[in-house]
Amino acid sequence: AQSVSQHNHHVILSEAASLELGCNYSYGGTVNLFWYVQYPGQHLQLLLKYFSGDPLVKGIKGFEAEFIKSKFSFNLRKPSVQWSDTAEYFCAVAGGFKTIFGAGTRLFVKA
Amino acid sequence: EAGVAQSPRYKIIEKRQSVAFWCNPISGHATLYWYQQILGQGPKLLIQFQNNGVVDDSQLPKDRFSAERLKGVDSTLKIQPAKLEDSAVYLCASSLLGESNEQFFGPGTRLTVL
Repeated sequence: AQSVSQHNHHVILSEAASLELGCNYSYGGTVNLFWYVQYPGQHLQLLLKYFSGDPLVKGIKGFEAEFIKSKFSFNLRKPSVQWSDTAEYFCAVAGGFKTIFGAGTRLFVKA
Repeated sequence: EAGVAQSPRYKIIEKRQSVAFWCNPISGHATLYWYQQILGQGPKLLIQFQNNGVVDDSQLPKDRFSAERLKGVDSTLKIQPAKLEDSAVYLCASSLLGESNEQFFGPGTRLTVL
């Protein structure tokens, strides 16, 4: 069965710190991978996605993620976070016409 | 372009009552999804439509939940009768055809069952 695991439920960082949020999935076939973000009071929106090609993908607001097929991972990174990055981040995996979301990581950035 | 519209935004009902949610996807999006998001968890797919047809409803509690998508556009999700554990945010999303396409989410309906 398909599953998605996000390692940290809550992360607190100071501004300018580096960020890495882990995402691991289990699925035997071809997958499309996504990171979605939900800022306070706003809808879920796409941060970045991977479906083929260069395993290092860049998204909006300086975020990037690397797909490591051998590790079934799609970790999200940002070299220097800002207070405005405070949000909840969801990893999602689409495969076999089914999309599974992780439980989410709530990030709080201290100014 | 207009986003995904959902109504109502909030609903409070008592257990055993029925409730319906409405979703209007982005124009031209063939695929429509209903998710349930319980506090502290990620969205859980309840049902996925492709045009008029159901692609996946394996996690829909069919004894109490039903959904339809008339004419391949708007969709309604109904719960009858509601249980306390149905308290959650119900999200509607739409996308172009194909798994590599991003999903666009509506604002959600926050349901509280007392």
